[in-house]
Amino acid sequence: DAKTTQPPSMDCAEGRAANLPCNHSTISGNEYVYWYRQIHSQGPQYIIHGLKNNETNEMASLIITEDRKSSTLILPHATLRDTAVYYCIVAFNFGNEKLTFGTGTRLTIIP
Amino acid sequence: NAGVTQTPKFRVLKTGQSMTLLCAQDMNHEYMYWYRQDPGMGLRLIHYSVGEGTTAKGEVPDGYNVSRLKKQNFLLGLESAAPSQTSVYFCASSYSPTDPTLNLNSNQPQHFGDGTRLSIL
Repeated sequence: DAKTTQPPSMDCAEGRAANLPCNHSTISGNEYVYWYRQIHSQGPQYIIHGLKNNETNEMASLIITEDRKSSTLILPHATLRDTAVYYCIVAFNFGNEKLTFGTGTRLTIIP
Repeated sequence: NAGVTQTPKFRVLKTGQSMTLLCAQDMNHEYMYWYRQDPGMGLRLIHYSVGEGTTAKGEVPDGYNVSRLKKQNFLLGLESAAPSQTSVYFCASSYSPTDPTLNLNSNQPQHFGDGTRLSIL
């Protein structure tokens, strides 16, 4: 059973904010929400993660709803280099928890 | 900063041949992982290791063996390659969440290599 649901693809204009949604309605209280991305032919790259509170780093912002059943990854000023497949993952903080990547959202930044 | 390095980057094998994929990390991470990625699918965990000398099975371990003789290296072996093992293989590493030098509430992400593209004919 998939732990997360993401739209298969999205487009975003260059320079605009890209908002990528993720549903994780069966998330448990101790599971974190992670976001990774995979640019063509490269290994997955960690972006951000959170538990309850909204988080922001140099790459993106993560907004988690109060009931924690969904979240949104925000790339504030998308560039062409942000074109990639974005994966939303829920996992415990055990370290050896496998990351279930699913099929993700293919984000295309349009010039 | 090398991070996670995988060798080789590409390889073509014949059915029945054996080979070893090497993953090396220079971040002093305790945990290391091997995933495979097939077209149109997400990554699936093959084996992982929570420390030097330890290994454990992941989601799709059949046909693979691993070894973690040194903390910085994690080897993935195919004893008798089959066409179904044609895939892109990714190695990853991370800190242990119980590392006493880290914030106990911290959650350390996995860092990935750039993959090994393996074709079995």
